[in-house]
Amino acid sequence: EPEVTQTPSHQVTQMGQEVILRCVPISNHLYFYWYRQILGQKVEFLVSFYNNEISEKSEIFDDQFSVERPDGSNFTLKIRSTKLEDSAMYFCASSVQLHYGYTFGSGTRLTVV
Amino acid sequence: GENVEQHPSTLSVQEGDSAVIKCTYSDSASNYFPWYKQELGKRPQLIIDIRSNVGEKKDQRIAVTLNKTAKHFSLHITETQPEDSAVYFCAASANNNDMRFGAGTRLTVKP
Repeated sequence: EPEVTQTPSHQVTQMGQEVILRCVPISNHLYFYWYRQILGQKVEFLVSFYNNEISEKSEIFDDQFSVERPDGSNFTLKIRSTKLEDSAMYFCASSVQLHYGYTFGSGTRLTVV
Repeated sequence: GENVEQHPSTLSVQEGDSAVIKCTYSDSASNYFPWYKQELGKRPQLIIDIRSNVGEKKDQRIAVTLNKTAKHFSLHITETQPEDSAVYFCAASANNNDMRFGAGTRLTVKP
C-alpha cells in the first residue's frame, strides 16, 4: 500500500534555529497538508497546498512557517526561528482529490530545546 | 474557520459492548466528515468517512451517522474488542482544503 514518507522521524533543535521537515506524498496525490499534534492534544491544521500554492492556512501558520514543493516529489515545511512551543509531532498528509481520505505520514517529532 | 467539538474525551467500555462518540461542527457549509483512529505513537488512520448527501454509512462493526440540521455526527462501534482501544478523532471540512479535527476521544476496551 502506498505510503506518505516523512524524514527525519525525530529532530532536536536549539531555540531560534531553522528547521526543515520533509515529506514525500503518495505519487498520484494532488493535495498536500501539514498538521501538528502537541503531545496528548488534538491534531491541528497548519496548511494545505494544491497546484503549487497554499490553498488554506490556519492561524497557527504565521510568518515563521513556509511550505515548498521544490522538485515535484518532496513537500517541505520550514520553521524559520523555532520556539519552545513549536515542539510537537508534525504530520504530513496527502490526498488524491478534495474530500477524499487523507493518508498521513508517520510524523516528525520536533523537540525545541 | 470550522470548529469541531467532540465528546466524550474518554470512554471506557467492556469488551463486546458498543461505543458511541459524538461530534458537532459549526460551519453549515461543511460536507465531509471523516473519522480517524490513532494508536499510541502512531499516525492517524482513516477508518470511515461520510459525505453530506447521506445520513448513515456502515462498514462492518463501524457506523457513522450525520444530522446536518443539528450539525452533529457520531461514530458507533459495535461488539468492541481490545484492539479497538485508541484515540478517535472526528473531523469536518467544507469545499476547501481546511479540515479541522475534534479534540479526540480516548477509547479503552476492557477485556
